Amino acid sequence: DIQMTQSPSTLSAFVGDTVTITCRASQSSSSNWLAWYQQKPGKAPKLLIYKGSSLESGVPSRFSGSGSGTEFTLTISSLQPDDFATYYCQQYNSYWTFGQGTKVEIK
Amino acid sequence: QITLKESGPTLVKPTQTLTLTCTFSGFSLSTPGVGVGWIRQPPGKALEWLALLYWNDDKRYSPSLKSRLTITKDTSKNQVVLTMTNVDPVDTATYYCAHRQELRAFDYWGQGTLVTVSS
Repeated sequence: DIQMTQSPSTLSAFVGDTVTITCRASQSSSSNWLAWYQQKPGKAPKLLIYKGSSLESGVPSRFSGSGSGTEFTLTISSLQPDDFATYYCQQYNSYWTFGQGTKVEIK
Repeated sequence: QITLKESGPTLVKPTQTLTLTCTFSGFSLSTPGVGVGWIRQPPGKALEWLALLYWNDDKRYSPSLKSRLTITKDTSKNQVVLTMTNVDPVDTATYYCAHRQELRAFDYWGQGTLVTVSS
């Protein structure tokens, strides 16, 4: 099984900050089969980024994804009030595995 | 417009079999590349992928739960059914079904249904 490790588990930031979340895979992902989701309390996850860096339609351009192999990052530029949520990475190179999540809190 | 909705019991007793139904619209499960998956989330915890059914009836299961899961489809009803045998309180979770597109992972999700396993 491919294990996904996210860091940090919790992140405190101000509105307007730029934040970065890291996701490391236990095995290399060919073709960057890595997705990022946003989840708010009581709601289903929402796809933000797929294939490592492709922005899902309708997602603001302040969200961006990068990385390759075993290390990937999600960057949120100019954090907005609506962005405070929990973020999950997911590999889909071999089955589907989620990271443990990163909660972005208001500082 | 793609929509999915989960349905099933809210309370199940330990050792029983849980049956969940995902009813979808806006796409065909006969279209190449399409799949429907099941993902769960225990209260306050992370997401866990359970199973996926492809357009060609190929099936994939989480290795850790494979012996307890079965995923099937009823194409005429636009439904995908997940059964989980021998449930335990640790299976208490919100269960989601989601549309899988080949390149884009899980791009549409249902609202989720909370299942509690308790005697």
